[in-house]
Order: sequence, then structure tokens, then C-alpha cells
Amino acid sequence: AQSVTQLGSHVSVSEGALVLLRCNYSSSVPPYLFWYVQYPNQGLQLLLKYTSAATLVKGINGFEAEFKKSETSFHLTKPSAHMSDAAEYFCAVSAMDSSYKLIFGSGTRLLVRP
Amino acid sequence: NAGVTQTPKFRILKIGQSMTLQCAQDMNHNYMYWYRQDPGMGLKLIYYSVGAGITDKGEVPNGYNVSRSTTEDFPLRLELAAPSQTSVYFCASRDGTGGGYTFGSGTRLTVV
Repeated sequence: AQSVTQLGSHVSVSEGALVLLRCNYSSSVPPYLFWYVQYPNQGLQLLLKYTSAATLVKGINGFEAEFKKSETSFHLTKPSAHMSDAAEYFCAVSAMDSSYKLIFGSGTRLLVRP
Repeated sequence: NAGVTQTPKFRILKIGQSMTLQCAQDMNHNYMYWYRQDPGMGLKLIYYSVGAGITDKGEVPNGYNVSRSTTEDFPLRLELAAPSQTSVYFCASRDGTGGGYTFGSGTRLTVV
């Protein structure tokens, strides 16, 4: 069965610093992987997705993620944090059974210090 | 705009009351899902449907029911509301390519 682990329930960075949010997955088959962002009291917005094409995936708002099969990781990065990046971030894997359901990690809350 | 529409956005229920959370999509997606989000827990799957007339349980189905009589609609029913069902509920649909999931804006439910 597939699963997702997000390391760190809270990450705090200074404005302008590198953002690194960690995600490790478990899957016996090549997965589809996703990062979503949720701003306070809002729904989920897709940041980027990996669907077995290029291993470096570029998303919206300057975010990118690299699929590393050897490390079973799909970490999210952004070179320079902005105050508006403060939100909760979810990593998810698509189940490769007939449901194709999304399996989510528990989320990482990003705090950006001025 | 095409997408997933959830109603209502907010609701307060008393213990033991029942209600239906509505979800509709206009993208002709076969796959639809109901999730609940609790603080620090991520999103947990309640029920899902792979097409009209077909539904199945997810991780946390107890206390809920669903139906899928049309491709467009996937309502979630709470029969006897309990405080443990206080949560934010999200409906989602998936296109056939595997890469596209669309989420509704959510329903915030409080049971008192």
C-alpha cells in the first residue's frame, strides 16, 4: 500500500531564505506525486505534480520538487521565501489501484519570519 | 467556471441531527471523493466513487453514507451527527488522465 510521510509538522524560515519541505513516499510501483498548498480557511491548491515525466517538476509561485526514486523522496523547495508563502503544505501520492484516491501526508505548516 | 461546487460552506448541527453535504462537478469526471480534514491529521478519505452507481468506503466511513446516481453529483449524508464529526469536508474529482484532481472549497461543519 502507498503512504506518504512529511517530516516536520512546522517549518520556520526567514523571508528570503531557502524553503525545504520534506516528503517521503512508499510505493511498490512508480507513483504519481503531488504537492498542495492550503492558505488559512481556504481549500487546497495544486502547486505541482509528478506523473513520471521529468524528475524535476516546476510549479506555481516559484516552487519546485525533485523526484528521487533511490531516496523515495519528493521534497519541495523554493529558493527565496516570501511572506505570502506562509501556509500549510501537503504532499500526496495517488493510489495505483482502481480507486486512484489521493493519500495525503499529515501536512507541514510553513512560517515565514520577517 | 468549471469545477467542484460544495454546499453549504458552513453549518452547525446539534448532536443527533442529520444533514447532507452536497458536491457537484461539471467536468464529466468519473472519479469523485470525500475527505475530511482534522488539524494535524492531513486529509482522510471517507468514501469514493469510480462512476455513477458505484461507491466504496475509504479510511473513515463510519457515520457517513453516500450515493452516486449521476456522474455530476456525489452527496455525503450524516445520519446522526456526533461531535467527532466536527471537521472540514472536501469533495474532489479526478479526470481520466491520472494527473488532474480538482477540489471543492470545503464545508466547515461543527457538531454541538
